[in-house]
Amino acid sequence: GIQVEQSPPDLILQEGANSTLRCNFSDSVNNLQWFHQNPWGQLINLFYIPSGTKQNGRLSATTVATERYSLLYISSSQTTDSGVYFCAVVPGGYNKLIFGAGTRLAVHP
Amino acid sequence: KAGVTQTPRYLIKTRGQQVTLSCSPISGHRSVSWYQQTPGQGLQFLFEYFSETQRNKGNFPGRFSGRQFSNSRSEMNVSTLELGDSALYLCASSLVQVTDTQYFGPGTRLTVL
Repeated sequence: GIQVEQSPPDLILQEGANSTLRCNFSDSVNNLQWFHQNPWGQLINLFYIPSGTKQNGRLSATTVATERYSLLYISSSQTTDSGVYFCAVVPGGYNKLIFGAGTRLAVHP
Repeated sequence: KAGVTQTPRYLIKTRGQQVTLSCSPISGHRSVSWYQQTPGQGLQFLFEYFSETQRNKGNFPGRFSGRQFSNSRSEMNVSTLELGDSALYLCASSLVQVTDTQYFGPGTRLTVL
């Protein structure tokens, strides 16, 4: 089956720093989403981005489907950005989200 | 528009018991999926329902089952609970397809003693 690999697994930042999270996938996909899981477990939808680039405030994402990777950029990080960031894909021919293992981000004041 | 809601939020059961979890999707959404999250296995797909029919199923034993009602609300049931069933159970809804944007509920945290 498809492999979804996220890097780095852990990231520690000072408030105000920028970061890039990466998601590699091993096969073609029909859907790619980025989620933020807060400390209470809620998965919050950040981007639906099977291809191209999108921006939402301090966050932006780019997916290069032909090269099978996606990047999530966080600029001017804040302590509220802490949590786990997941990349999830729907492989071609399937009807389920396959999640990566996540990147655990800690932003310190 | 209200988000995805799940009840109960927390549940404690003992081995051998059964449990039913409920999920109400966003109004107008007809596809409901269920996921299990554990520290060891991460987020894993359980099943997906559309128009009261199970459309896709993950690799879980038959003790895990679900259903969907005509108003798109969904329930999942776990029978003969095992310690390893302790997890966060998440429900997600989307308009029609799993390939549509998925919106998740707050989850039900199940502890099996």
